[in-house]
Amino acid sequence: GAVVSQHPSRVICKSGTSVKIECRSLDFQATTMFWYRQFPKQSLMLMATSNEGSKATYEQGVEKDKFLINHASLTLSTLTVTSAHPEDSSFYICSARTRADTQYFGPGTRLTVL
Amino acid sequence: KQEVTQIPAALSVPEGENLVLNCSFTDSAIYNLQWFRQDPGKGLTSLLLIQSSQREQTSGRLNASLDKSSGRSTLYIAASQPGDSATYLCAVSQGGSEKLVFGKGTKLTVNP
Repeated sequence: GAVVSQHPSRVICKSGTSVKIECRSLDFQATTMFWYRQFPKQSLMLMATSNEGSKATYEQGVEKDKFLINHASLTLSTLTVTSAHPEDSSFYICSARTRADTQYFGPGTRLTVL
Repeated sequence: KQEVTQIPAALSVPEGENLVLNCSFTDSAIYNLQWFRQDPGKGLTSLLLIQSSQREQTSGRLNASLDKSSGRSTLYIAASQPGDSATYLCAVSQGGSEKLVFGKGTKLTVNP
């Protein structure tokens, strides 16, 4: 199956700093990537849909100025959490959609904001 | 607004037992339904995908059924093994939308 990677797998940062998370489709081109957030014992919640070469579409309640998404190429999307606060601590997972409309998920990034 | 519910939240069984995980959704106008496996601190692995026109899908010891009209799906795991221990997530997508709506998952523990 297709492979999606995320980097870093874990990150700890101080409150007020910005953190960038990368999502890469390793063996296929993905015109669309998705960013999810998962709190402990909760569902994955879709944050935004990232389309290559255009602005991301954010879900209701997700601040676009806080969660900056850049989908600069067909294999890379980045999520930057700006001015991170402890409440942003969560597990962030990306997925990439193939041309066959199948989503493959990355291994996730655990963000801890102190 | 689509809501997905999974019951039970947690399940512990002895090795070798057959088991059923349940998933229900409030809006029956779905495009497809997927079952995923998530290991602790890891991403998701797709197990089975059922299109809205299908009734069931099988892969090895796994069988997923879909009753769209009643808004229900089940994941049947035969002859469970300790390696099956994980959280199982159910997700639906709406027609014309790429979005997946997930349930909270069922945490399965298979005891040796």
